[in-house]
Amino acid sequence: AQKVTQAQTEISVVEKEDVTLDCVYETRDTTYYLFWYKQPPSGELVFLIRRNSFDEQNEISGRYSWNFQKSTSSFNFTITASQVVDSAVYFCALSPRDDKIIFGKGTRLHILP
Amino acid sequence: DTAVSQTPKYLVTQMGNDKSIKCEQNLGHDTMYWYKQDSKKFLKIMFSYNNKELIINETVPNRFSPKSPDKAHLNLHINSLELGDSAVYFCASSHFTGSGANVLTFGAGSRLTVL
Repeated sequence: AQKVTQAQTEISVVEKEDVTLDCVYETRDTTYYLFWYKQPPSGELVFLIRRNSFDEQNEISGRYSWNFQKSTSSFNFTITASQVVDSAVYFCALSPRDDKIIFGKGTRLHILP
Repeated sequence: DTAVSQTPKYLVTQMGNDKSIKCEQNLGHDTMYWYKQDSKKFLKIMFSYNNKELIINETVPNRFSPKSPDKAHLNLHINSLELGDSAVYFCASSHFTGSGANVLTFGAGSRLTVL
């Protein structure tokens, strides 16, 4: 079965703290893609990153970084020095070869000033 | 210019009515989708079209009928609306890769409230 689990339903941190959002996935496919999307309070969904199953290199983009570990089927997302503008719901997603993208239930992140 | 535009943004209607949501993309993508987001923020794919051809049809009541007149448009018509249809409906588009690599560009969502 294809599944994405985001165990953290809601997280609150104080501004400037680092925070990690967990994502664990299940798939039988050997080729697949993983994604993170952000949904700010305004409601639109914004693409953040895509990773394919053969590329386990970590990625850093400014204050954002992603840690992909096939051994634990995890694709975690870390925000360093969080800011209030990072407050949003973050979705991890899995796309197997059939393109039926499966989203996790999301983690609502509150950054407190 | 909005890349993926949906209309209307808000829709309030009575049970039993029929309503449509329209979606247009100007990104030159060949694949379009409808997703439903419920009150708990859970996002679930409903339909996907590639070049006007239906390629994904999840377990959705047949009261929901998508229509793609061309690859830039994907409309969603809902018959006999029920309370449980209340949700935010997102249209999205992407280039088709056939490998799962599709990056979705989403519209702003259409919030449907059934009374």
